[in-house]
Amino acid sequence: TQLLEQSPQFLSIQEGENLTVYCNSSSVFSSLQWYRQEPGEGPVLLVTVVTGGEVKKLKRLTFQFGDARKDSSLHITAAQPGDTGLYLCAGKHGSNTGKLIFGQGTTLQVKP
Amino acid sequence: EAGVAQSPRYKIIEKRQSVAFWCNPISGHATLYWYQQILGQGPKLLIQFQNNGVVDDSQLPKDRFSAERLKGVDSTLKIQPAKLEDSAVYLCASSYTTSFGTGHYYEQYFGPGTRLTVT
Repeated sequence: TQLLEQSPQFLSIQEGENLTVYCNSSSVFSSLQWYRQEPGEGPVLLVTVVTGGEVKKLKRLTFQFGDARKDSSLHITAAQPGDTGLYLCAGKHGSNTGKLIFGQGTTLQVKP
Repeated sequence: EAGVAQSPRYKIIEKRQSVAFWCNPISGHATLYWYQQILGQGPKLLIQFQNNGVVDDSQLPKDRFSAERLKGVDSTLKIQPAKLEDSAVYLCASSYTTSFGTGHYYEQYFGPGTRLTVT
């Protein structure tokens, strides 16, 4: 069973602070995705990383895929209340069915 | 473009009762997924359809859960009989056809989910 462990599980910070969320596994993934989910809604894809060592930026969000493709991180600079939500990482193993394995999520609360 | 539609949004039932959820994927999306998301956890894939055929149902509790996708469009997920541990949000997602064997994937679009409470 491939597991994705996210840390921390909960994070409460003030507006303007920086934060990093981690996603770790003992398995190698062919690609890894980050989603954000708001209460009462389904997850929305933020980014997909495919190559080991890859870094992608989405405005104030920076995503990195580990060199060995076993881990990833999400860094948010100058967090805003609108960043509040559940952040999920999801890995796609070598299978060709498109099946995603999700981490348990990190709940982020940004206080104004 | 209309998103993935799900109904009902909320359902409360007693244990041992039956319940059904409905999903209408984005037009043109051949692949449809049902996920179970228990509070405090990430979504877990229950079943994946490619058109009206099942691609993966390895984590579907087949003694009580069933799903169908007749005509390769809408899908229903049924639980009969429900247990307390089935309380969760059931998410439906869809994507364009997955290109098997190429490693290529298509983005999954999720519906808002159905929150099921079993008492």
